[in-house]
Amino acid sequence: EPEVTQTPSHQVTQMGQEVILRCVPISNHLYFYWYRQILGQKVEFLVSFYNNEISEKSEIFDDQFSVERPDGSNFTLKIRSTKLEDSAMYFCASSGVSASSYEQYFGPGTRLTVT
Amino acid sequence: AQKITQTQPGMFVQEKEAVTLDCTYDTSDPSYGLFWYKQPSSGEMIFLIYQGSYDQQNATEGRYSLNFQKARKSANLVISASQLGDSAMYFCAMREWNSGNTPLVFGKGTRLSVIA
Repeated sequence: EPEVTQTPSHQVTQMGQEVILRCVPISNHLYFYWYRQILGQKVEFLVSFYNNEISEKSEIFDDQFSVERPDGSNFTLKIRSTKLEDSAMYFCASSGVSASSYEQYFGPGTRLTVT
Repeated sequence: AQKITQTQPGMFVQEKEAVTLDCTYDTSDPSYGLFWYKQPSSGEMIFLIYQGSYDQQNATEGRYSLNFQKARKSANLVISASQLGDSAMYFCAMREWNSGNTPLVFGKGTRLSVIA
């Protein structure tokens, strides 16, 4: 069964450093998402991406964040200058071949620790 | 405004018993979908069940069923015959369809503990 993959599974970085989180969505999916979950809290939407551009973003997704689909398979989230409060689990998700495709398939997550 | 409310931060259930996890939602969009996800201690998000706002029947998937009461805006998850492996966080989520492929909005979750 196809699945969303994410690398790395765990990343430790120092405050102020740039990090890139990588995701490989399911191959024929068209919609891509990043969510984050601060430890012990709910999952929060960051950004959605369709047709090579951001389709929606939340208040959390400020100028420190960017997303890219550099090739036909990868979908990346970059944090330019990490802050302590960026420590969280980051989930990539993808969904289907049409706007009515209801399910979002989540990757296993990348745990980001900012020290 | 809170769109998804899960009022039970934690629940305990005896193994082999059924348990209901509560979820209420708020939307003015007539077209929406409701989801439940399971998050074990390992952290991944596992999709369990989906209910569309126009679905006439309650969704079922194996031991999971969704008690959908549209007028009350509730979408409770029922797990029958609980197993020790069901111990996890459970999140209710919603998507509204009025503007296409919208993101999921999650509740705060319920931690379910299954006792042997």
